[in-house]
Amino acid sequence: DIQMTQSPPSLSASVGDRVTITCRASQTISTYLNWYQQKPGKPPKLLIYVTSSLQSGAPSRFSGSASATDFTLTISSLQPEDSATYYCQQSYDIPWTFGQGTKVEIK
Amino acid sequence: EVQLVESGGDLVQPGGSLRLSCVVSGFTVNNKDMTWVRQAPGKGLEWVSVIYTRGETKYADSVKGRFTISRDKAMNTLYLEMNSLKSEDTALYYCVKYDDCSGGSCYSYGWFDLWGQGTLVTVSS
Repeated sequence: DIQMTQSPPSLSASVGDRVTITCRASQTISTYLNWYQQKPGKPPKLLIYVTSSLQSGAPSRFSGSASATDFTLTISSLQPEDSATYYCQQSYDIPWTFGQGTKVEIK
Repeated sequence: EVQLVESGGDLVQPGGSLRLSCVVSGFTVNNKDMTWVRQAPGKGLEWVSVIYTRGETKYADSVKGRFTISRDKAMNTLYLEMNSLKSEDTALYYCVKYDDCSGGSCYSYGWFDLWGQGTLVTVSS
């Protein structure tokens, strides 16, 4: 199985800060990496698909990038409504696997 | 409106069985790849099963041989039949649409783009 390792597990940042979350795949997954946002008591919501494509309706402050097997989700200017847990997920091979999640809190 | 509505979650004893349903609105269940993803209380996300448009099914090793995914076109509903339930199956089960095309572009592999609200399965004596 492909292991997805996310870091950090949690972070606290101020409104307006630039925030970066990293996800490392245990083997090549090409560009087949997706990012989801989950708020408490709600289902996850797709933010970014195939590394860097912004899902319709997702704010443009969210972006994704990659370098080999390292993938990054960036929030360019953190907003109060971005308080949530973020998950990466690979769709390159079954079983499809998720990272452990990164909880983002607002200072 | 495009939506997924799950039901069927319950408290069940270890070794018991349960069938989850997911009523699909806004598209035909047979025309999209559909999956189940679960989340144990306070934990992360775990993919469980997929049924492709061509009818092929795949399962996570943790449920293989115990769970069966299926669909009914007439009812426009996705199902997950769960047998020999274990305490570690306790989770919120999400019905999720999988897609690999967006904005006119299609890819070899896709993403989970539409989620239901989930139905809670608790396995305990």
